[in-house]
Amino acid sequence: GESVGLHLPTLSVQEGDNSIINCAYSNSASDYFIWYKQESGKGPQFIIDIRSNMDKRQGQRVTVLLNKTVKHLSLQIAATQPGDSAVYFCAENGPGSARQLTFGSGTQLTVLP
Amino acid sequence: EPEVTQTPSHQVTQMGQEVILRCVPISNHLYFYWYRQILGQKVEFLVSFYNNEISEKSEIFDDQFSVERPDGSNFTLKIRSTKLEDSAMYFCASSVSGGSEAFFGQGTRLTVV
Repeated sequence: GESVGLHLPTLSVQEGDNSIINCAYSNSASDYFIWYKQESGKGPQFIIDIRSNMDKRQGQRVTVLLNKTVKHLSLQIAATQPGDSAVYFCAENGPGSARQLTFGSGTQLTVLP
Repeated sequence: EPEVTQTPSHQVTQMGQEVILRCVPISNHLYFYWYRQILGQKVEFLVSFYNNEISEKSEIFDDQFSVERPDGSNFTLKIRSTKLEDSAMYFCASSVSGGSEAFFGQGTRLTVV
């Protein structure tokens, strides 16, 4: 079946470095994508979203890139801080509807001092 | 900042018992959702609710599950006869529209023993 998946389950970066978290999706009908951050014991926290009519969207210290040709989504975090340590999920709307989100498996980001 | 609130934070119940998980969505949001996350796994969609009725549900949301908006602020998930495999974090979420970002609550950890 169609699914959202992540390339890497874990990622360790040095504090101050940039982080790149990747996500592959297979539902070509999806037109809305979100990155969520989940800290231990907490609910998913919205980071940034992007619609399929865009290739790039920037927020505060974060950038999401969408490559529809290869169905790839990435989250870039600039100057990674210890507070960025968490599990990051990409999510896409669908299948079948804009109202439900299909989450990927998650990437554990660890920021090293 | 408005937030989705869930109660209780942790619920322990015996197998076969009924549980009701409660949520207060963000006040001006019109779409409400329940998701669950089994320990160490991805977040899974259960059900979406709009205009006082279920708009979508997943295969997980079988006859043992029901949702209700008993008044203008609460949104509940009922599991009629809990099973061991229902043990998970249950997240409530809400959004302004069906295709916009969903805000998640902190979750209720349900433990079925």
